[in-house]
Amino acid sequence: GAGVSQSPRYKVAKRGQDVALRCDPISGHVSLFWYQQALGQGPEFLTYFQNEAQLDKSGLPSDRFFAERPEGSVSTLKIQRTQQEDSAVYLCASSPRLAGEKETQYFGPGTRLLVL
Amino acid sequence: ILNVEQSPQSLHVQEGDSTNFTCSFPSSNFYALHWYRWETAKSPEALFVMTLNGDEKKKGRISATLNTKEGYSYLYIKGSQPEDSATYLCAFPPANYGGSQGNLIFGKGTKLSVKP
Repeated sequence: GAGVSQSPRYKVAKRGQDVALRCDPISGHVSLFWYQQALGQGPEFLTYFQNEAQLDKSGLPSDRFFAERPEGSVSTLKIQRTQQEDSAVYLCASSPRLAGEKETQYFGPGTRLLVL
Repeated sequence: ILNVEQSPQSLHVQEGDSTNFTCSFPSSNFYALHWYRWETAKSPEALFVMTLNGDEKKKGRISATLNTKEGYSYLYIKGSQPEDSATYLCAFPPANYGGSQGNLIFGKGTKLSVKP
């Protein structure tokens, strides 16, 4: 079956531009996560949704970052007024049940964002 | 601050060699340890979720062991093949998250290159 998909796969933005990154999770998956991977680092947690509810946004680095999942399926991560330090790979992951320590997360291929 | 450490950072082996690498994590309040394989331009793929001290899991030529008392996990690849070339990530759910939303703290990964 179809896995997690993300679009666009690559995005080049000029500093100050707004960008929107899309995640299509596996159909029926309850939990959805966003992670940010900077060059040379491991993925770092940004935010978590349970269905349409954003239960944790503690990892969002600034108020320029905003995520939504209005119907409990597709999610969008929006970055306003992009800065060079926002350059990273943004990964989306979903899991079929309520999130828990032992639940496998299924990842998309990521969106590579480069801010010039 | 919870940290997950992986070593070595990178590894170059010849086809047919067996290899192993290490993931170190905080040993207190252990819940689970996740291993992922991430091939270039693809999605991170879940390998194992390990939960019990002494656990040993196997998937084809790849196996992993877990020592929760001393806080480490080893990943072994027997008879490496070029298609094993990838970054291997381990991840740990934050123990102090209370009713944990299940987000993961990742190490920086071990990048394995297998030469034919």
